[in-house]
Amino acid sequence: AQSVTQLGSHVSVSEGALVLLRCNYSSSVPPYLFWYVQYPNQGLQLLLKYTSAATLVKGINGFEAEFKKSETSFHLTKPSAHMSDAAEYFCAVSGAGSYQLTFGKGTKLSVIP
Amino acid sequence: EAGVAQSPRYKIIEKRQSVAFWCNPISGHATLYWYQQILGQGPKLLIQFQNNGVVDDSQLPKDRFSAERLKGVDSTLKIQPAKLEDSAVYLCASSFDPNTEAFFGQGTRLTVV
Repeated sequence: AQSVTQLGSHVSVSEGALVLLRCNYSSSVPPYLFWYVQYPNQGLQLLLKYTSAATLVKGINGFEAEFKKSETSFHLTKPSAHMSDAAEYFCAVSGAGSYQLTFGKGTKLSVIP
Repeated sequence: EAGVAQSPRYKIIEKRQSVAFWCNPISGHATLYWYQQILGQGPKLLIQFQNNGVVDDSQLPKDRFSAERLKGVDSTLKIQPAKLEDSAVYLCASSFDPNTEAFFGQGTRLTVV
Protein backbone atom coordinates (compact mmCIF):
# COMPACT_ATOMS: atom_id res chain seq x y z
CA ALA A 1 0.00 0.00 0.00
CA GLN A 2 1.12 3.55 -0.66
CA SER A 3 0.35 6.90 0.95
CA VAL A 4 1.49 10.48 0.60
CA THR A 5 1.72 13.32 3.11
CA GLN A 6 2.04 16.89 1.90
CA LEU A 7 3.18 19.27 4.60
CA GLY A 8 1.34 22.57 4.49
CA SER A 9 -2.03 22.95 2.84
CA HIS A 10 -1.19 26.53 1.88
CA VAL A 11 2.18 28.07 1.05
CA SER A 12 2.78 31.73 0.22
CA VAL A 13 5.95 33.05 -1.41
CA SER A 14 7.00 36.36 -2.87
CA GLU A 15 7.54 36.65 -6.59
CA GLY A 16 11.16 35.73 -7.31
CA ALA A 17 11.58 33.75 -4.09
CA LEU A 18 12.34 30.05 -3.75
CA VAL A 19 9.41 27.68 -3.95
CA LEU A 20 9.58 24.58 -1.72
CA LEU A 21 6.63 22.21 -1.49
CA ARG A 22 7.11 19.19 0.75
CA CYS A 23 6.04 15.62 0.10
CA ASN A 24 6.75 12.48 2.10
CA TYR A 25 5.64 9.07 0.96
CA SER A 26 5.11 5.62 2.31
CA SER A 27 5.30 2.61 0.07
CA SER A 28 5.65 -1.11 0.62
CA VAL A 29 7.23 -1.50 -2.81
CA PRO A 30 9.72 0.62 -4.79
CA PRO A 31 7.73 3.70 -5.70
CA TYR A 32 7.09 5.87 -8.66
CA LEU A 33 6.55 9.47 -7.54
CA PHE A 34 4.81 12.34 -9.28
CA TRP A 35 4.02 16.01 -8.94
CA TYR A 36 0.90 17.41 -10.61
CA VAL A 37 -0.35 20.98 -10.88
CA GLN A 38 -4.02 21.96 -10.99
CA TYR A 39 -5.20 25.40 -12.03
CA PRO A 40 -8.73 26.51 -11.07
CA ASN A 41 -11.44 24.56 -12.88
CA GLN A 42 -8.84 22.55 -14.77
CA GLY A 43 -7.67 18.98 -14.75
CA LEU A 44 -4.32 17.78 -13.49
CA GLN A 45 -1.13 18.42 -15.44
CA LEU A 46 2.00 16.38 -14.84
CA LEU A 47 4.98 18.50 -13.75
CA LEU A 48 7.50 15.71 -13.30
CA LYS A 49 7.90 12.09 -12.31
CA TYR A 50 10.45 9.80 -10.69
CA THR A 51 10.56 6.28 -12.08
CA SER A 52 13.75 4.89 -10.51
CA ALA A 53 16.26 6.49 -12.86
CA ALA A 54 17.99 9.74 -11.82
CA THR A 55 17.10 10.86 -8.29
CA LEU A 56 17.04 14.54 -9.32
CA VAL A 57 14.17 15.02 -11.71
CA LYS A 58 13.62 18.11 -13.81
CA GLY A 59 10.13 18.98 -14.97
CA ILE A 60 8.27 21.64 -16.84
CA ASN A 61 8.11 25.34 -15.97
CA GLY A 62 11.45 25.27 -14.13
CA PHE A 63 10.38 22.86 -11.39
CA GLU A 64 12.50 20.01 -10.09
CA ALA A 65 12.29 17.41 -7.35
CA GLU A 66 14.76 15.12 -5.63
CA PHE A 67 13.98 11.57 -4.56
CA LYS A 68 15.55 10.84 -1.17
CA LYS A 69 14.95 7.25 -0.18
CA SER A 70 16.53 7.65 3.28
CA GLU A 71 14.10 10.47 4.09
CA THR A 72 11.17 9.01 2.09
CA SER A 73 10.78 12.45 0.56
CA PHE A 74 10.16 13.94 -2.87
CA HIS A 75 10.09 17.70 -2.33
CA LEU A 76 9.29 20.05 -5.21
CA THR A 77 11.39 23.17 -5.75
CA LYS A 78 11.70 26.11 -8.10
CA PRO A 79 14.45 28.73 -7.67
CA SER A 80 12.31 31.76 -8.52
CA ALA A 81 8.53 31.95 -8.20
CA HIS A 82 6.46 33.52 -10.94
CA MET A 83 2.91 34.80 -10.63
CA SER A 84 1.77 32.12 -13.06
CA ASP A 85 2.91 29.42 -10.60
CA ALA A 86 -0.05 30.17 -8.33
CA ALA A 87 -2.05 26.94 -8.35
CA GLU A 88 -2.63 23.79 -6.34
CA TYR A 89 0.08 21.13 -6.37
CA PHE A 90 -0.42 17.45 -5.71
CA CYS A 91 2.17 14.82 -4.91
CA ALA A 92 1.28 11.25 -5.87
CA VAL A 93 2.77 7.78 -5.50
CA SER A 94 2.30 4.47 -7.24
CA GLY A 95 3.98 1.11 -7.10
CA ALA A 96 6.88 0.80 -9.53
CA GLY A 97 5.61 -0.06 -12.99
CA SER A 98 2.11 1.17 -12.24
CA TYR A 99 0.42 4.48 -12.89
CA GLN A 100 -2.49 3.84 -10.52
CA LEU A 101 -1.97 6.90 -8.35
CA THR A 102 -2.48 7.66 -4.65
CA PHE A 103 -2.55 11.42 -4.15
CA GLY A 104 -1.74 13.68 -1.25
CA LYS A 105 -4.21 16.33 -0.09
CA GLY A 106 -2.54 19.06 -2.08
CA THR A 107 -0.73 22.32 -1.34
CA LYS A 108 -2.12 25.60 -2.59
CA LEU A 109 0.66 27.94 -3.68
CA SER A 110 0.09 31.68 -3.59
CA VAL A 111 2.61 34.06 -5.16
CA ILE A 112 2.71 37.58 -3.74
CA PRO A 113 3.75 40.39 -6.11
CA GLU B 1 -3.95 15.58 -30.45
CA ALA B 2 -7.27 15.91 -28.66
CA GLY B 3 -7.22 15.46 -24.92
CA VAL B 4 -9.55 13.59 -22.59
CA ALA B 5 -13.06 14.96 -23.01
CA GLN B 6 -15.56 14.98 -20.18
CA SER B 7 -19.16 16.14 -20.01
CA PRO B 8 -20.97 17.83 -18.52
CA ARG B 9 -18.56 20.29 -16.92
CA TYR B 10 -20.98 21.15 -14.14
CA LYS B 11 -24.04 19.43 -12.69
CA ILE B 12 -26.34 20.32 -9.82
CA ILE B 13 -28.83 17.73 -8.58
CA GLU B 14 -30.91 17.09 -5.52
CA LYS B 15 -30.06 14.26 -3.15
CA ARG B 16 -31.56 10.92 -4.07
CA GLN B 17 -31.54 11.85 -7.77
CA SER B 18 -29.46 10.02 -10.36
CA VAL B 19 -26.64 11.46 -12.44
CA ALA B 20 -24.28 10.23 -15.14
CA PHE B 21 -20.93 11.49 -16.34
CA TRP B 22 -19.31 10.76 -19.68
CA CYS B 23 -15.66 10.43 -20.63
CA ASN B 24 -14.05 10.13 -24.06
CA PRO B 25 -10.38 9.15 -23.67
CA ILE B 26 -7.51 10.01 -25.95
CA SER B 27 -7.69 7.95 -29.13
CA GLY B 28 -5.84 4.66 -28.78
CA HIS B 29 -5.68 4.73 -25.00
CA ALA B 30 -6.63 1.35 -23.59
CA THR B 31 -6.48 2.27 -19.91
CA LEU B 32 -9.09 4.54 -18.36
CA TYR B 33 -9.41 5.80 -14.79
CA TRP B 34 -12.15 7.58 -12.86
CA TYR B 35 -11.09 9.64 -9.83
CA GLN B 36 -13.20 11.48 -7.25
CA GLN B 37 -11.79 14.75 -5.90
CA ILE B 38 -13.63 16.12 -2.87
CA LEU B 39 -12.98 19.78 -2.06
CA GLY B 40 -9.80 20.16 -0.07
CA GLN B 41 -8.55 16.65 -0.83
CA GLY B 42 -6.49 14.94 -3.48
CA PRO B 43 -8.12 12.78 -6.14
CA LYS B 44 -9.07 9.26 -5.09
CA LEU B 45 -9.20 6.42 -7.58
CA LEU B 46 -12.67 4.97 -8.05
CA ILE B 47 -12.17 2.51 -10.89
CA GLN B 48 -9.62 1.48 -13.51
CA PHE B 49 -10.51 -0.10 -16.86
CA GLN B 50 -8.28 -1.92 -19.31
CA ASN B 51 -10.15 -1.88 -22.62
CA ASN B 52 -13.68 -2.88 -21.59
CA GLY B 53 -12.66 -4.86 -18.51
CA VAL B 54 -12.44 -3.67 -14.90
CA VAL B 55 -8.92 -3.87 -13.44
CA ASP B 56 -9.63 -2.38 -10.03
CA ASP B 57 -12.89 -1.13 -8.50
CA SER B 58 -12.00 -1.74 -4.88
CA GLN B 59 -12.70 1.88 -3.89
CA LEU B 60 -15.94 2.25 -5.84
CA PRO B 61 -19.02 2.46 -3.55
CA LYS B 62 -20.89 -0.19 -5.43
CA ASP B 63 -24.16 0.31 -3.61
CA ARG B 64 -24.66 3.59 -5.48
CA PHE B 65 -21.89 4.01 -8.03
CA SER B 66 -21.52 2.13 -11.29
CA ALA B 67 -19.27 2.52 -14.30
CA GLU B 68 -19.01 0.92 -17.68
CA ARG B 69 -16.86 1.00 -20.77
CA LEU B 70 -18.80 -1.31 -23.02
CA LYS B 71 -16.87 -0.91 -26.27
CA GLY B 72 -13.53 -0.19 -24.67
CA VAL B 73 -13.56 3.47 -25.67
CA ASP B 74 -16.02 5.89 -24.00
CA SER B 75 -16.97 5.41 -20.39
CA THR B 76 -19.85 6.50 -18.19
CA LEU B 77 -19.92 6.82 -14.41
CA LYS B 78 -23.32 6.79 -12.73
CA ILE B 79 -24.47 7.64 -9.23
CA GLN B 80 -27.88 6.41 -8.10
CA PRO B 81 -29.10 7.69 -5.69
CA ALA B 82 -26.83 10.65 -4.97
CA LYS B 83 -25.93 11.75 -1.46
CA LEU B 84 -24.72 15.12 -0.24
CA GLU B 85 -21.25 13.69 0.33
CA ASP B 86 -20.96 12.82 -3.37
CA SER B 87 -20.41 16.51 -4.13
CA ALA B 88 -16.99 16.52 -5.77
CA VAL B 89 -15.11 16.85 -9.03
CA TYR B 90 -15.05 13.62 -11.02
CA LEU B 91 -11.91 13.30 -13.09
CA CYS B 92 -11.37 10.92 -15.97
CA ALA B 93 -7.87 9.99 -17.10
CA SER B 94 -6.54 7.75 -19.83
CA SER B 95 -3.23 6.19 -20.81
CA PHE B 96 -1.90 4.07 -23.64
CA ASP B 97 -1.45 1.20 -21.20
CA PRO B 98 -1.25 0.71 -17.40
CA ASN B 99 2.51 1.32 -17.43
CA THR B 100 2.51 4.74 -19.05
CA GLU B 101 1.56 8.25 -18.01
CA ALA B 102 -2.13 9.07 -17.66
CA PHE B 103 -3.61 12.29 -19.02
CA PHE B 104 -6.48 13.95 -17.17
CA GLY B 105 -9.64 15.58 -18.42
CA GLN B 106 -10.96 18.86 -16.98
CA GLY B 107 -13.43 17.03 -14.77
CA THR B 108 -17.14 17.26 -13.98
CA ARG B 109 -18.05 19.28 -10.90
CA LEU B 110 -21.05 17.72 -9.16
CA THR B 111 -23.02 19.57 -6.51
CA VAL B 112 -25.66 17.62 -4.58
CA VAL B 113 -28.15 19.82 -2.71
